Amino acid sequence: QKEVEQNSGPLSVPEGAIASLNCTYSDRGSQSFFWYRQYSGKSPELIMSIYSNGDKEDGRFTAQLNKASQYVSLLIRDSQPSDSATYLCAVPISGGGADGLTFGKGTHLIIQP
Amino acid sequence: GAGVSQSPSNKVTEKGKDVELRCDPISGHTALYWYRQSLGQGLEFLIYFQGNSAPDKSGLPSDRFSAERTGGSVSTLTIQRTQQEDSAVYLCASSLAVTGMNEQFFGPGTRLTVL
Repeated sequence: QKEVEQNSGPLSVPEGAIASLNCTYSDRGSQSFFWYRQYSGKSPELIMSIYSNGDKEDGRFTAQLNKASQYVSLLIRDSQPSDSATYLCAVPISGGGADGLTFGKGTHLIIQP
Repeated sequence: GAGVSQSPSNKVTEKGKDVELRCDPISGHTALYWYRQSLGQGLEFLIYFQGNSAPDKSGLPSDRFSAERTGGSVSTLTIQRTQQEDSAVYLCASSLAVTGMNEQFFGPGTRLTVL
């Protein structure tokens, strides 16, 4: 059973600062990694996917993957109050093409104005 | 439509009744997934479809749960003889299912309450 671990938080970050969210996973064979944002009462929204070691940037978001350490992180630059949400890390249940995802419990991020 | 749609958005039922939840995926997405999220719990995978077949049913919590997909599009999740522990938000997602890339996009969910 694949496991995905995240610090539940809450993680409190002042507006304009960098928020750093971390995730570790148990299966060394995992090849794809996803970050979702979930506002209270809403469904998860995909914000980043990463497949290779290193950094991937998209606007204010940067995903960082280190397969040797089984660690994936999400950085949010210039944090805004609208970034306050729960951030979920996910990996595929199997290594194949289509399959369900195993999610971490999520980190609750609070951006303080 | 542009995104995944689900109906109903809310469903209240009595214990022991059967319910059907519907999901309409993004046009062109061949893979469809069902998850559920209980209050305070994480997202739990239930089942996925590649076309009309379901290669992985491992997440279905009991034989009261079943799902089907016809025409490679709409899917229904059926829960028979509902129990109070079935109360949760049931989420559907879809993806292009390209090998090595499996970005899944979620619908708004169906909130099921079993009294």
